[in-house]
Amino acid sequence: QQQVKQSPQSLIVQKGGISIINCAYENTAFDYFPWYQQFPGKGPALLIAIRPDVSEKKEGRFTISFNKSAKQFSLHIMDSQPGDSATYFCAASKGTDKLIFGTGTRLQVFP
Amino acid sequence: EPEVTQTPSHQVTQMGQEVILRCVPISNHLYFYWYRQILGQKVEFLVSFYNNEISEKSEIFDDQFSVERPDGSNFTLKIRSTKLEDSAMYFCASSLIWTSGSADEQFFGPGTRLTVL
Repeated sequence: QQQVKQSPQSLIVQKGGISIINCAYENTAFDYFPWYQQFPGKGPALLIAIRPDVSEKKEGRFTISFNKSAKQFSLHIMDSQPGDSATYFCAASKGTDKLIFGTGTRLQVFP
Repeated sequence: EPEVTQTPSHQVTQMGQEVILRCVPISNHLYFYWYRQILGQKVEFLVSFYNNEISEKSEIFDDQFSVERPDGSNFTLKIRSTKLEDSAMYFCASSLIWTSGSADEQFFGPGTRLTVL
C-alpha cells in the first residue's frame, strides 16, 4: 500500500531527445507527487511536483503527467541535455507525512 | 536562497561508537525529517519531527536512534551504538506547514556520509 514503483531503472537518451520516467502508486490517500533530481554526492533536489487536482504540470522542459484513475504519474524531460544526466526519484506523500520514494532512474544523456 | 545545511559532510566511526549528525533546517520551517540512502539504493524515511516531538518513525528508527532540537535552530540525529549496516548517506529535510495543514515541499540538505568501520 505504501510502495511507489518506478521504471525504468536506467535510461540512455540522445541529446535533444525526450526522457520519460514512469511511477505507479497504490495508496489513494497520497496527495502530493514530487520528482527529485540527485547528482552524485548531493542531496535530492525538488524538480517539479503535482497534486491530484490537475492532470499535467509543466515547468520549462520538465512536465509531469498525472493519471489519477490509473494511479500513475510520469516525468517527461523535453530536449534532454547532458547536464540532465542524474538520478531521478519520484515520490508520494499524504499531508505532512513522510515521502515514499521510488527506486530511482539513472538517466544518461549523450551528446 | 535559504537552504538546509548539514554537518559534518563525512563521518567515519568505529562500530559501537555514538555519532551525532547535525542539521540546520530552513529558519521558518516547522516540520523536520531524517532520511537515509544506502549506496545505490532509494531514499528511505527514518523519522519526522514537529512541535518538539516525533510525529512518525519507521521500522529502521529503533532504540539506537534518537532525534533532538536542542536550541531552536539545530536538529540532530543520534545513533547510540553504530553498526556496520548504518553506513549510508543521511539526509535532513524540512518543510513549511500551510494553514490548511498540508505540507509544502520538503527541502533536503546535502547529506552526511556515515561510514562505520
